[in-house]
Amino acid sequence: LAKTTQPISMDSYEGQEVNITCSHNNIATNDYITWYQQFPSQGPRFIIQGYKTKVTNEVASLFIPADRKSSTLSLPRVSLSDTAVYYCLVGPNDYKLSFGAGTTVTVRA
Amino acid sequence: DTGVSQNPRHKITKRGQNVTFRCDPISEHNRLYWYRQTLGQGPEFLTYFQNEAQLEKSRLLSDRFSAERPKGSFSTLEIQRTEQGDSAMYLCASSLERGGTQYFGPGTRLLVL
Repeated sequence: LAKTTQPISMDSYEGQEVNITCSHNNIATNDYITWYQQFPSQGPRFIIQGYKTKVTNEVASLFIPADRKSSTLSLPRVSLSDTAVYYCLVGPNDYKLSFGAGTTVTVRA
Repeated sequence: DTGVSQNPRHKITKRGQNVTFRCDPISEHNRLYWYRQTLGQGPEFLTYFQNEAQLEKSRLLSDRFSAERPKGSFSTLEIQRTEQGDSAMYLCASSLERGGTQYFGPGTRLLVL
């Protein structure tokens, strides 16, 4: 499974856009990029998944450049409730997930 | 759709005791995964089932650990002769076989004293 690198932590303020970039230089042809969110004492929650270009849903956008060696999760207008750990995962779409340490995003008032 | 459920949510046990956790996946999902998460780390894969067949086990799953999914629906994870190092959050996830986004349950937090 491809290794990912993402910042350990990020701070933001309510109403701002948060962009988390993940590096995955060894991504394979059949790998997808998936992001999960996790609050303390809860299971991870699926946010978004993409293969290439841009994907948008009601929660976030995922930007993937043509070489697919990195990706950026964009959270628009964050609120205090978006404070969580965000995980970037790369791998086949129907296989075990390989989590790193994630990025702890702290949103302040 | 009630999502993935796990029971119990919390378990405190003494070293050497056996514990069993249950996971009920989303009803139409034929894949079921178990993960373990320790403080400050991301979840680590333990094992997964497709229907009732256990298809892969991690090296993390020592012989004290056993998982079953007898009828291809709910699954149990048993830890025998618990050790303090087994203290962790045990997470269950389920998915469809194809194009399967994994949906996680709330987890069972185990504390071994």
